Amino acid sequence: GQNIDQPTEMTATEGAIVQINCTYQTSGFNGLFWYQQHAGEAPTFLSYNVLDGLEEKGRFSSFLSRSKGYSYLLLKELQMKDSASYLCAVRDLLTGGGNKLTFGTGTQLKVEL
Amino acid sequence: DAMVIQNPRYQVTQFGKPVTLSCSQTLNHNVMYWYQQKSSQAPKLLFHYYDKDFNNEADTPDNFQSRRPNTSFCFLDIRSPGLGDAAMYLCATSRSNRLNEKLFFGSGTQLSVL
Repeated sequence: GQNIDQPTEMTATEGAIVQINCTYQTSGFNGLFWYQQHAGEAPTFLSYNVLDGLEEKGRFSSFLSRSKGYSYLLLKELQMKDSASYLCAVRDLLTGGGNKLTFGTGTQLKVEL
Repeated sequence: DAMVIQNPRYQVTQFGKPVTLSCSQTLNHNVMYWYQQKSSQAPKLLFHYYDKDFNNEADTPDNFQSRRPNTSFCFLDIRSPGLGDAAMYLCATSRSNRLNEKLFFGSGTQLSVL
């Protein structure tokens, strides 16, 4: 099975940098995803890591350490629109094909002026 | 343009009254998934289709069924909704099961059970 932990809530200031951590204990591992979910909306893809190291995409970066079962999402130059829930998800292969993403409960980020 | 479309956005049903949620996709993806997300909880996979092959999660209640009549459409049937089934139901697709394939989500259907 999969167990994924991330903080429930975080607050940060507009223009600042925030790091959202995720730790996981899994029976299998085939990659880690970060999704952003605004209230009442669908999750949208942010990043994917399968190898150790940092993946950078604009204001968003994601880091993975497989030996430590640890990832973080780094958001730079925070904007008010970044206020959302950030979901960490671990991928496993499904019997019969397809991807199984097991999600954490999400970190609710609030960006303040 | 929306690529994974769920209807309706909000659905109200009565306790025990069957309800069907629909999902369509314009991506021509092989895989379609249904997730259940209760308030402040993680999305939980119910089942998925790889092409026409249905794959149920071990802990998905028998009350939940699904149909995929063609590549574009997938339905979630709740035979006898209980109060505990009130949740956001998310449909998602992926092209295949390759390592880096991401899931594309619809905007969800918020189900209320009265």
